[in-house]
Amino acid sequence: KQEVTQIPAALSVPEGENLVLNCSFTDSAIYNLQWFRQDPGKGLTSLLLIQSSQREQTSGRLNASLDKSSGRSTLYIAASQPGDSATYLCAVVETSGSRLTFGEGTQLTVNP
Amino acid sequence: GAGVSQSPRYKVAKRGQDVALRCDPISGHVSLFWYQQALGQGPEFLTYFQNEAQLDKSGLPSDRFFAERPEGSVSTLKIQRTQQEDSAVYLCASSRTGYSSYNEQFFGPGTRLTVL
Repeated sequence: KQEVTQIPAALSVPEGENLVLNCSFTDSAIYNLQWFRQDPGKGLTSLLLIQSSQREQTSGRLNASLDKSSGRSTLYIAASQPGDSATYLCAVVETSGSRLTFGEGTQLTVNP
Repeated sequence: GAGVSQSPRYKVAKRGQDVALRCDPISGHVSLFWYQQALGQGPEFLTYFQNEAQLDKSGLPSDRFFAERPEGSVSTLKIQRTQQEDSAVYLCASSRTGYSSYNEQFFGPGTRLTVL
């Protein structure tokens, strides 16, 4: 059974810092990996999707990498801002199906 | 068109009541998913539709949970005889294609269900 783990569970940083969120998964037979943002009481906003054949994706200050063979992904946030404060979730789609399997998230706080 | 919408946004039910949660996917999206998110946890898969066909319902926790998408668009998740452990946020997501290789899922705001 696929298991997705995110480290750290919570992170607090001062504004302006660059930071890295980690995601690992146990079964490397995936179609893609998706990073989401969730604000309190809200749904999930898709940030980046990396297909299994890709190594990274970039959007603005966000960069996500994927090492499928080692079962790892990282989300890099450059020059963090208080508006980046949210819970960040990673999820994978396995080749055996279409569902997303999620980690438990990293709660990020960026202090002004 | 607009994003995924869900209604109601909040639902309070007494234990034993039946509830129905609605999801309107992005227009033209083939795939529709339901997830359950307990407080402080990541979402967990419940069921998946491709058009009107329910292709995977392995995540439904009991036979009290039932989902349908009769015309391949709007979907309803029904929970019969609600229990306190059903309290959670129910998230709906849709994706453009039925192919998993590029299956970016877009989520609605969720329905927060509280069972008293």
